[in-house]
Amino acid sequence: KAGVTQTPRYLIKTRGQQVTLSCSPISGHRSVSWYQQTPGQGLQFLFEYFSETQRNKGNFPGRFSGRQFSNSRSEMNVSTLELGDSALYLCASSDPGQGQETQYFGPGTRLLVL
Amino acid sequence: SQQGEEDPQALSIQEGENATMNCSYKTSINNLQWYRQNSGRGLVHLILIRSNEREKHSGRLRVTLDTSKKSSSLLITASRAADTASYFCATDVIAYKYIFGTGTRLKVLA
Repeated sequence: KAGVTQTPRYLIKTRGQQVTLSCSPISGHRSVSWYQQTPGQGLQFLFEYFSETQRNKGNFPGRFSGRQFSNSRSEMNVSTLELGDSALYLCASSDPGQGQETQYFGPGTRLLVL
Repeated sequence: SQQGEEDPQALSIQEGENATMNCSYKTSINNLQWYRQNSGRGLVHLILIRSNEREKHSGRLRVTLDTSKKSSSLLITASRAADTASYFCATDVIAYKYIFGTGTRLKVLA
């Protein structure tokens, strides 16, 4: 099976702009989680989607949003970008319905906000 | 604050030696997982241990879990240069939400 893919891999934006990141999970996986990784804060949970529903979210401002499509692909959006949003954004897929809590991570999207 | 705290933050050993890293967490869990990350890339799942398990092995990896102390340890035996990476523990604080620790940076010297 193909692994988790994320696009784009690298992105440069300026403050105030918005950005949309995409994640395609492993075929058959219905859960997609998003994480932000920075040197200062480490890996922070953003949100998790399952069957197009957000089941949980982390402590991030409303500028961070996401959605999941019927084919389980997910997107996350960050509006009004700030310098502090520069980070590696990771998505992970899993199939908890099959009793598998293991998350399979994509390579990440590295976002730089100037 | 982080649910998981890894200790030590950094570890440097010679190839062939064993590497031990520890993870402490704060709340009750259903399972704890260990992941490896190579230099700014995605994370790779290593092993999952459930709250009713005390020890688990996978190849050169050995994980222990002490729920009374809310701690886990990851032992990598006979380390190789390719084991150089950051290692994270992750706990399911509530359903569908995993909290990652701060990570241990392991460097294995050839």
